[in-house]
Amino acid sequence: EAGVAQSPRYKIIEKRQSVAFWCNPISGHATLYWYQQILGQGPKLLIQFQNNGVVDDSQLPKDRFSAERLKGVDSTLKIQPAKLEDSAVYLCASSPRVDPGANVLTFGAGSRLTVL
Amino acid sequence: AQTVTQSQPEMSVQEAETVTLSCTYDTSESDYYLFWYKQPPSRQMILVIRQEAYKQQNATENRFSVNFQKAAKSFSLKISDSQLGDAAMYFCAYRSPRGNTDKLIFGTGTRLQVFP
Repeated sequence: EAGVAQSPRYKIIEKRQSVAFWCNPISGHATLYWYQQILGQGPKLLIQFQNNGVVDDSQLPKDRFSAERLKGVDSTLKIQPAKLEDSAVYLCASSPRVDPGANVLTFGAGSRLTVL
Repeated sequence: AQTVTQSQPEMSVQEAETVTLSCTYDTSESDYYLFWYKQPPSRQMILVIRQEAYKQQNATENRFSVNFQKAAKSFSLKISDSQLGDAAMYFCAYRSPRGNTDKLIFGTGTRLQVFP
């Protein structure tokens, strides 16, 4: 099966500019996640969708970050305006269902953002 | 709140030898899940092994095995017969079974180098 697709792979912007990342999960996966991985740290969950509804966005900086998952398939993560500390890799993952016991996440290759 | 600690920023091993990566965690829950993920330079996180806390038997996947010490809150990964392709960042992660969210809490990672 095709994996989780993300684009762009790399993006360089100046602070206060905006950027958007796109994710296409594995076909049929109901749950989609966006993680932020800052250099030298482990990934941190920003937002989790179940179909097109938000399950957890407690760690999403809502003053500048937004995410949507239209029609329960593709998702877009937007940052506006970007800050220097937003430089990170943004990882998208998907899974078949929300079942903590059996749930296995499949990750994409990530989008690396550099904010100058 | 749960935390995951990986105290070894870097480890190295000779090809065909065995190496152990350490992970400790802090939680007040009695039931949970623990994971080891591998992140090669391609950035895609790959699940290596999973352990359910209610299972006393240590999980094993081919050359990868864990030493799960629930009382000590320790979850180490042993890689036997190391191969050059094992070189990567390794992340330990915790997941609570509660609620709808299946958020993974990651440690800061251990970079594993494999020498021929």
